[in-house]
Amino acid sequence: AQTVTQSQPEMSVQEAETVTLSCTYDTSESDYYLFWYKQPPSRQMILVIRQEAYKQQNATENRFSVNFQKAAKSFSLKISDSQLGDAAMYFCAYRSAPRRDSGYALNFGKGTSLLVTP
Amino acid sequence: EAQVTQNPRYLITVTGKKLTVTCSQNMNHEYMSWYRQDPGLGLRQIYYSMNVEVTDKGDVPEGYKVSRKEKRNFPLILESPSPNQTSLYFCASSVGQGINQPQHFGDGTRLSIL
Repeated sequence: AQTVTQSQPEMSVQEAETVTLSCTYDTSESDYYLFWYKQPPSRQMILVIRQEAYKQQNATENRFSVNFQKAAKSFSLKISDSQLGDAAMYFCAYRSAPRRDSGYALNFGKGTSLLVTP
Repeated sequence: EAQVTQNPRYLITVTGKKLTVTCSQNMNHEYMSWYRQDPGLGLRQIYYSMNVEVTDKGDVPEGYKVSRKEKRNFPLILESPSPNQTSLYFCASSVGQGINQPQHFGDGTRLSIL
C-alpha cells in the first residue's frame, strides 16, 4: 500500500493568518488522486479539497489551496485567512487506480491537529 | 438528504459478545468501505465492497466480517470482539468506479470492548 506521511502532528495558527500543512506520499504510479479531509471535534470526515495527479494546476477551494509537486511527491494544504472553525484534525489521503489487491482504498496519513488561536 | 448512516453511534460491550455495526447509504453508491481510526495511526481500511456480493479485505481485516447483500447496506460484524478492537469506526461510500470520487463518510461509531 502507498505510504502517506504527515510530518506535523500539531500546528498552530493565529486567526486571519495563513498556515500550511505538509503531506508527502510514496508511490510508483502515475495515475492517482489526492485528498485533504477535515475532522472537527464532531468526528465527521469532511472533504476539503482534491487534486488529480494528471493536472498541473493546483486545486483551490475558497480559502483552501494545495501545492502539488508531483516529482517531489508532495501535497501541502494552505489555509488562508484562518478562522476559528478551521480548528480540526486534517488528514491527507491518497487514492490509486483500482487494483485487485486494493480496490479503491484511501490511504490516510496519521493526521495533523490544527489549533487556531484568537 | 444524501447521507451515510451508521448505528449505533456509541457502544460499550464485553469481550466475546458478538456485535454488528450497521451502515446504510441512500446515494446508490457501488463502493462502500469500513475504516477504523486509532490515535497516532490515522484511518486504516478494514474491508471494502465494490458492489453487491463483492467484498475484499483491506489493511486490517482480522477479527471482522462484512456482508453486502444489498447495495445500500454494508454491516460490519465482530463475531468475538476483543479489547484491541476498541476504536472509532467509519463507514464510507463513493459512486461508481471513478477514482476521483471522494468518499462520503458516516458520523462514526465509537466502540469500547471491555
